[in-house]
Formats: sequence, C-alpha cells, structure tokens
Amino acid sequence: DTGVSQDPRHKITKRGQNVTFRCDPISEHNRLYWYRQTLGQGPEFLTYFQNEAQLEKSRLLSDRFSAERPKGSFSTLEIQRTEQGDSAMYLCASSRGQAPNYGYTFGSGTRLTVV
Amino acid sequence: AQSVTQLGSHVSVSEGALVLLRCNYSSSVPPYLFWYVQYPNQGLQLLLKYTTGATLVKGINGFEAEFKKSETSFHLTKPSAHMSDAAEYFCAVSDYDKIIFGKGTRLHILP
Repeated sequence: DTGVSQDPRHKITKRGQNVTFRCDPISEHNRLYWYRQTLGQGPEFLTYFQNEAQLEKSRLLSDRFSAERPKGSFSTLEIQRTEQGDSAMYLCASSRGQAPNYGYTFGSGTRLTVV
Repeated sequence: AQSVTQLGSHVSVSEGALVLLRCNYSSSVPPYLFWYVQYPNQGLQLLLKYTTGATLVKGINGFEAEFKKSETSFHLTKPSAHMSDAAEYFCAVSDYDKIIFGKGTRLHILP
C-alpha cells in the first residue's frame, strides 16, 4: 500500500493557461474522487469514478474542467483557460468500495496558484 | 441533501485540557459520519467513523466521538490535548457514494 499519489504538488500558472493534474490511487481501490479545497473551507466534491466510469459530477465542475480515468487506474483533472478563482488545493482520494462503508484515503493534494 | 455544520472555526485549548470539537449533521437517511484531520500541506487522514451499532466510536490518537441521534450531533473529544494535536479537523457525512465535509475547525494548543 503505497498510498494515493498526486502530481505535481504545486503548480503556478498564468491566467488563461491550461493545467493538468494526475492522481494515482491505491491499486486495489476501484473508486476515485476529486475535491477542491480553498482557504478556510472544507473539501468540496467535484467528481468521482468507479473504475473508468465517471458516475457523478458536481455543478462546481464547469465546462472548463474535465476529468478522466481511462483504464480505471490513474486519473487526470484538466482545467482549461484557468481563472484566478481556480486557485485552490485539488485533492484526490480513493476508496476500495462505497465511500461511506470504507472511507477515503487522500493524497497530499496539488496546490494550484493562478496569477 | 446531506450536510454537516461545525461550530467554531477556531478552538483553543491548553495542553492537557479536554478537547471538544462540535459537529451537527443533517441527513435524510441514517448517516455514516466521519472525522478527518489535516496537518499543514497534507491530505486528510481518517480519525474515526460511525456506521451503525455502538454510538461511542474510538479513533486514532486518543480521539473519540459519540453519535447522538436525538441531537443530530457527532462531537469529537479527547481527554487530554497534546501539542501534536494542533491541526484542522473536519466532520463529514455520507451522501450515497461520496462524503460531504464541513468547513473545518482549526485546533490550537496553548502551552
């Protein structure tokens, strides 16, 4: 169990640029979740996958955001045409089954700063 | 929709004193409830969870929480605070196949 890995840890980008984050879950976990956390707030749900299927997307996930999990293993979260309001910590979590039964294992997050 | 409310965005206690972090939930179905801890620049770590059964749940690092349905509460306690407990704590509730988090309470430990 190597834990949930996120890459990069930090990303600084200029407004209008595209960015992509990667998450590698624990290998036997079939569910993968993306959250966004801004300063002074708790994690806000963005989207989640069961294997390669994206099962739910929050209304927070605007058209500029897209997430994939092509082979049911790692996942990517892309933000197009970044805005200053996108600055946040993006957290990935995985679970071996239904989250309420098993809870999450979180990665350390990717901190995005849009300048 | 399921939600949690954490009372107090900042709580300060002296080292050795009782820690009490308050959480109230709202859920249309029997809830699963969680407490997570976050240290600076790190992800969240599960402290404890309530699913069904015993209403007093023991977690890691000496923390425990009690599920009180009549009060819709799930407060987190620790008998004696340690400096290493300084962190942000999140109460959370299940929402079908995902977990919804509160806004968090930052715990400060005074020497």
